Amino acid sequence: DAGVIQSPRHEVTEMGQEVTLRCKPISGHDYLFWYRQTMMRGLELLIYFNNNVPIDDSGMPEDRFSAKMPNASFSTLKIQPSEPRDSAVYFCASTLTGEEETQYFGPGTRLLVL
Amino acid sequence: GQSLEQPSEVTAVEGAIVQINCTYQTSGFYGLSWYQQHDGGAPTFLSYNALDGLEETGRFSSFLSRSDSYGYLLLQELQMKDSASYFCAVQRAYKYIFGTGTRLKVLA
Repeated sequence: DAGVIQSPRHEVTEMGQEVTLRCKPISGHDYLFWYRQTMMRGLELLIYFNNNVPIDDSGMPEDRFSAKMPNASFSTLKIQPSEPRDSAVYFCASTLTGEEETQYFGPGTRLLVL
Repeated sequence: GQSLEQPSEVTAVEGAIVQINCTYQTSGFYGLSWYQQHDGGAPTFLSYNALDGLEETGRFSSFLSRSDSYGYLLLQELQMKDSASYFCAVQRAYKYIFGTGTRLKVLA
């Protein structure tokens, strides 16, 4: 299995620009999670989906952040407009119903907003 | 609120045993998980405790005591490759809250 795939792996952008992060979960997994990791705040859950439906988006920091999952094999996290404080590593993870104790993380997208 | 506290850094020598503690202030969770993260890498699952007591997985063991709001990860026969950050996480259904993380340095 290829594991969780994220793109891009690195993104450098200027403040005010739109940023789109992409994720392909492990085939057959029905849960998908978006996390943000920073030194100051650690690993934070932003939003998670079950069967392509958003279940809990209470971790989304503000309206500039949005996430979609149009089908079982693809999700996006969009930041518009981006700000320097959004600089972080964004991880996507997936898991399967009945295996909730284990999440499989992608390699992450390292975002730098100048 | 919900919080999981861990020591920020632990140092040990190769071949030794090290314990990484996790104290939490939350309730109603299903289990306590542990993840390892190497610098520049992604978190990877190590161990899970749904019930109080000790779970053993090779060189790694994890312990949970709900009455004491406490858990730990035990790493035996330390190897250089164990140098990484370790996170505890409480799981409530499919929602995870991660601890502050402990950076483990293994010295030769």
